[in-house]
Amino acid sequence: GQSLEQPSEVTAVEGAIVQINCTYQTSGFYGLSWYQQHDGGAPTFLSYNGLDGLEETGRFSSFLSRSDSYGYLLLQELQMKDSASYFCAVRDGGSYIPTFGRGTSLIVHP
Amino acid sequence: ETGVTQTPRHLVMGMTNKKSLKCEQHLGHNAMYWYKQSAKKPLELMFVYSLEERVENNSVPSRFSPECPNSSHLFLHLHTLQPEDSALYLCASSQDHSSGANVLTFGAGSRLTVL
Repeated sequence: GQSLEQPSEVTAVEGAIVQINCTYQTSGFYGLSWYQQHDGGAPTFLSYNGLDGLEETGRFSSFLSRSDSYGYLLLQELQMKDSASYFCAVRDGGSYIPTFGRGTSLIVHP
Repeated sequence: ETGVTQTPRHLVMGMTNKKSLKCEQHLGHNAMYWYKQSAKKPLELMFVYSLEERVENNSVPSRFSPECPNSSHLFLHLHTLQPEDSALYLCASSQDHSSGANVLTFGAGSRLTVL
């Protein structure tokens, strides 16, 4: 089977930088994705890493190290609207279907 | 309409009722998914359809019955549910169920309460 670990909660202040880590154990690996979900809303796709390194999309960046089975989502210049849950998801070599972590609740304070 | 639309948004049902959740995608995607989201648990994959054929069934109880009449529509038929089935049921779609599955587009979900 597969498992993903990410912190349950992270807090930060407006304007700060925060990093949300995700470690995974899978048999085979076909990519790590990140999703954002506001309370009462749909998860929305943020970023995807298929190869090692950093992917940047505006204020959000995502990093992957396949040798360490580890990735992170970096959020810069935090805004109040970034308060949400963030999920990492991995496609493994078994079913190829994304498996999700439990999610990290990000709370941004003024 | 655009994206993935789920109806109803909220549903309350008794344990003996039969109801259905509906999902419709307007993205031209070929794969559709049902996920269950319960408090403090990861999203749990229930079913995956690719071009109207079921490609994954994640040991889901038979009281949940999916139906995919075409690549744009997905249903989840519910009968004799248990209170522990209360959750947010999320529908998603992707271009395909292989490399395209790295990017899922989700609907807003159907919040189900079983009394």
